Amino acid sequence: EAGVTQFPSHSVIEKGQTVTLRCDPISGHDNLYWYRRVMGKEIKFLLHFVKESKQDESGMPNNRFLAERTGGTYSTLKVQPAELEDSGVYFCASSQFGGMRSYNEQFFGPGTRLTVL
Amino acid sequence: QKEVEQNSGPLSVPEGAIASLNCTYSDRGSQSFFWYRQYSGKSPELIMFIYSNGDKEDGRFTAQLNKASQYVSLLIRDSQPSDSATYLCALDAGGFKTIFGAGTRLFVKA
Repeated sequence: EAGVTQFPSHSVIEKGQTVTLRCDPISGHDNLYWYRRVMGKEIKFLLHFVKESKQDESGMPNNRFLAERTGGTYSTLKVQPAELEDSGVYFCASSQFGGMRSYNEQFFGPGTRLTVL
Repeated sequence: QKEVEQNSGPLSVPEGAIASLNCTYSDRGSQSFFWYRQYSGKSPELIMFIYSNGDKEDGRFTAQLNKASQYVSLLIRDSQPSDSATYLCALDAGGFKTIFGAGTRLFVKA
């Protein structure tokens, strides 16, 4: 079974440019999450989708960030325009809570390292 | 704002020793906790989940939870060089939201 995949693995852009990150969750997982890790800090929650609906976007830093999950499959996270402080590693995770499992096990992708110059 | 605090380390232990990783949290109402392992440049991987006070053992790993003192710990017995990684403590903040600590780097010397 394929894990969570993310594209690109690295992105270097200049301040003011636009970048779009993509996440493909594990097939069949309704829950999809975006997180960000700024160097030296903790992994921070950005938002949570259930299928195509945004359930919680309380962690989105500002309106320069736009996440979508068309058709409830893959998701994109667009940063427009990018600022220096947006640099970090963006992780995507997916989960399918329920059944025999009593906890929400999230499976993480390898991350996209974004550098804004 | 719920917070999770961890010593960033690095924690260095010799091969075969017990590695003890600790974590404290600020919200007394927090109920469930996770330990993730993250190898350098890789994705975090869930290794333990605990929600009851006391110990939970899985192989060489033991998670300990003390809600009265608001701390969670992870013990790794018979530490191996392959255990060298960053260990992330996290709590279930409700509504499928997870709050992470910054992680503790563990280095196991052969």
